[in-house]
Amino acid sequence: EDQVTQSPEALRLQEGESSSLNCSYTVSGLRGLFWYRQDPGKGPEFLFTLYSAGEEKEKERLKATLTKKESFLHITAPKPEDSATYLCAVQAYTGFQKLVFGTGTRLLVSP
Amino acid sequence: DGGITQSPKYLFRKEGQNVTLSCEQNLNHDAMYWYRQDPGQGLRLIYYSQIVNDFQKGDIAEGYSVSREKKESFPLTVTSAQKNPTAFYLCASSIDRGIGQPQHFGDGTRLSIL
Repeated sequence: EDQVTQSPEALRLQEGESSSLNCSYTVSGLRGLFWYRQDPGKGPEFLFTLYSAGEEKEKERLKATLTKKESFLHITAPKPEDSATYLCAVQAYTGFQKLVFGTGTRLLVSP
Repeated sequence: DGGITQSPKYLFRKEGQNVTLSCEQNLNHDAMYWYRQDPGQGLRLIYYSQIVNDFQKGDIAEGYSVSREKKESFPLTVTSAQKNPTAFYLCASSIDRGIGQPQHFGDGTRLSIL
């Protein structure tokens, strides 16, 4: 069974304090790994897609990396506006575009 | 601006009542999805549709029904058979071709029981 585990559940950082979020996955053939940001009361906002081990994507203070077993979302010098829940999802070769989601990491960045 | 519109933002259901959640997209996407989000759990797939007039059950379809009469619209009905309907419901869409196309989400409908 395809599975995604995110850690930590919650993370509190000071503004400017860099850190990483982890997404471990088991999947029967990875078609893509996706990172989303979700603000309270809103739908997830797409950030990145990673397709193969070794791939990296960057957007402002965020950088996503991928290995054969896990993905990391690195946050460099975060700002309070980076506070949100970050969701990881995987898509397997199941014949349609089903995503399996982790439970997310709640990030709080204090000024 | 292209996007996905869900309505209403908040919805209350009485015992024995069916309620319908609206989802409209103007992204010209072929595939549409309904998810349910509960605290402490990942998003779970209720139903999905890859093409007009066709849809498939997801992991938790019991107590729900959908229709796909137009490419742009994918309404979800929460029936009285769904005994625990209180949740945040999210609609998504994607281009149903190519490898690993991301799903794009609306801003959700929060359903509560009166």
